[in-house]
Amino acid sequence: AQKITQTQPGMFVQEKEAVTLDCTYDTSDPSYGLFWYKQPSSGEMIFLIYQGSYDQQNATEGRYSLNFQKARKSANLVISASQLGDSAMYFCAMRAYSGGYQKVTFGIGTKLQVIP
Amino acid sequence: DTGVSQDPRHKITKRGQNVTFRCDPISEHNRLYWYRQTLGQGPEFLTYFQNEAQLEKSRLLSDRFSAERPKGSFSTLEIQRTEQGDSAMYLCASSSDRVENQPQHFGDGTRLSIL
Repeated sequence: AQKITQTQPGMFVQEKEAVTLDCTYDTSDPSYGLFWYKQPSSGEMIFLIYQGSYDQQNATEGRYSLNFQKARKSANLVISASQLGDSAMYFCAMRAYSGGYQKVTFGIGTKLQVIP
Repeated sequence: DTGVSQDPRHKITKRGQNVTFRCDPISEHNRLYWYRQTLGQGPEFLTYFQNEAQLEKSRLLSDRFSAERPKGSFSTLEIQRTEQGDSAMYLCASSSDRVENQPQHFGDGTRLSIL
């Protein structure tokens, strides 16, 4: 079975500071992909960053980086230099193959609030 | 690339009525997914199409739910005899299998409210 665990229901960060959002995963599939999405209060899901299970280096996209620790099955999102517009829900997701078909599993999310 | 389009954005209906939602994926995407999201939760997978073939259905998808993608382009999700527990945001996403592990691109969702 596939599972994504996000243990931080809510996080606060001061503007311009860095913040780490935790994500651990579980899968028996050796090949999988990990994604982070942002969902503002307006509701749309915005793709942020992707990490493949065989990627040797941690993914980075602008102010977003993914701290991938395969042995610990963790894929934490690091947001540097937080901005007020970063306030949103953040979801970790995993795509893996189960029973021959791909399956995508989301965590329950972390609500991030950036304080001026 | 006009993005994933969902229609309608909002739907209010009485319990027991049937509703149908439409999703138009990004044109070159051959994979299409439906999710349901309730308040305070992440999206829950409902079903997945590769071209016109429905390859997987979640156990969450009861017999009252049916999805189609007849020509491998747009998709519809129908809920028959709606119940109050069906109130949720229904999200559609699409992706391409030409590059493995491409991210899914989401539409803005259809918010369903059952009176």
